[in-house]
Amino acid sequence: DIVMTQTPLSSPVTLGQPASISCRSSQSLVHSDGNTYLSWLQQRPGQPPRLLIYKISNRFSGVPDRFSGSGAGTDFTLKISRVEAEDVGVYYCTQASQFPYTFGQGTKLEIK
Amino acid sequence: EVQLLESGGGLIQPGGSLRLSCAASGFTFSNYAMNWVRQAPGKGLEWVSVITKSGGSTVYADSVKGRFTISRDNSKNLLYLQMNSLRAEDTAVYYCAKEPAGTLESWGQGTLVTVSS
Repeated sequence: DIVMTQTPLSSPVTLGQPASISCRSSQSLVHSDGNTYLSWLQQRPGQPPRLLIYKISNRFSGVPDRFSGSGAGTDFTLKISRVEAEDVGVYYCTQASQFPYTFGQGTKLEIK
Repeated sequence: EVQLLESGGGLIQPGGSLRLSCAASGFTFSNYAMNWVRQAPGKGLEWVSVITKSGGSTVYADSVKGRFTISRDNSKNLLYLQMNSLRAEDTAVYYCAKEPAGTLESWGQGTLVTVSS
């Protein structure tokens, strides 16, 4: 199975400041079809997960442009340019390039 | 608007069976693979199973293989998860998720399954 490792596991951030979460996979996530199926999910308290970013860097419909994704191969990053109060929650990276699909442990974003 | 509504959760004794349903609306259900993902209380996400858009192919996590069965009824826009031989470690919120090729794009609100005597 592909292991997804996120850092940090907790991120206290000041409102209006940037935040960054890293995700490393134990194997390359490049699929045989040439795509890299690395996504980022946000889970606000008491809510189901919500897709933010898919295929490394594509923002899903309705996601604010302060969220961006980057990376390649085995190393990926989610950045929030200016954290807002509504961004509090847990962020997960996930891969769907190989079965079983796997998730990172989650990074808890909180406001300082 | 895409809507996914899970149902069928509840309290069940170890060794028992339960069938979860996911009612889909707002999109052409038969055009998408569908997944089940679960989340134990206070824990992270664990992928459970996927079924292709036709229902002809399924894949399971090792932790549920041989005990859970995913299926779908495209005429009714329904996704199912039959869970047998339930264990305490199956206690979780179960989410259904729509998958357009490699992305868990839309998620339901989840249904809680509690396995306990």
